[in-house]
Amino acid sequence: EVQLVESGGGLVQPGGSLRLSCAASGFTFNSYSINWVRQAPGKGLEWVSYISSSSGNIYYADSVKGRFTISRDNAKNSLSLQMNSLRDEDTAVYYCARDGGVPGTHHFDYWGQGTLVTVSS
Amino acid sequence: DIQMTQSPSSLSASVGDRVTITCRASQNFDSYLNWYQQKPGKAPKLLIFATSNLHSGVTSRFSGSGSGTDFTLTISSLQPEDFATYYCHQRDKFGQGTKVEIK
Repeated sequence: EVQLVESGGGLVQPGGSLRLSCAASGFTFNSYSINWVRQAPGKGLEWVSYISSSSGNIYYADSVKGRFTISRDNAKNSLSLQMNSLRDEDTAVYYCARDGGVPGTHHFDYWGQGTLVTVSS
Repeated sequence: DIQMTQSPSSLSASVGDRVTITCRASQNFDSYLNWYQQKPGKAPKLLIFATSNLHSGVTSRFSGSGSGTDFTLTISSLQPEDFATYYCHQRDKFGQGTKVEIK
């Protein structure tokens, strides 16, 4: 069974940092690209970042570029999102989501349960 | 910047109704569109990928169609468990969501 489990969320002050993790199991982690997607309270979904299976390709939404860093450790089946210079508008549930692996389709076939990040003073 | 616009933003329907949700892209840059279902407090779930392909384990009540800039998600006969919010998605863009409520 494919499983993605996020952790690391919490309350942080504006300007602070937080590191999210996503633990993967039930599939060959090093064969799949992974994304972070977030959802502000009561709002829709926003794609945040993408990392390819070998970390060779990394992309960020303009809203987080220069502040967030995505990385993965294929030996540990884990994904991370380092978030710096956090702003109020970064408050959201953060999901890791597996890219479906069908070339060109860019769909997210499995999602974690999410971890809540609250940026507030 | 590409925008994905869903319509309607919300709808009320009865069990057994046929429901159609539309997603329009502001530009034709990719032929593949995906649909997700999200229930309150839960993570989104993939329903349809690459416009018309049913994700594993998803009931055939759901179907997708379209091309270019206009895409459709259809629920053939609405069931109680289908009341949720639906999102379209293409590359790095999501639609704003369509909330399907009980009439």
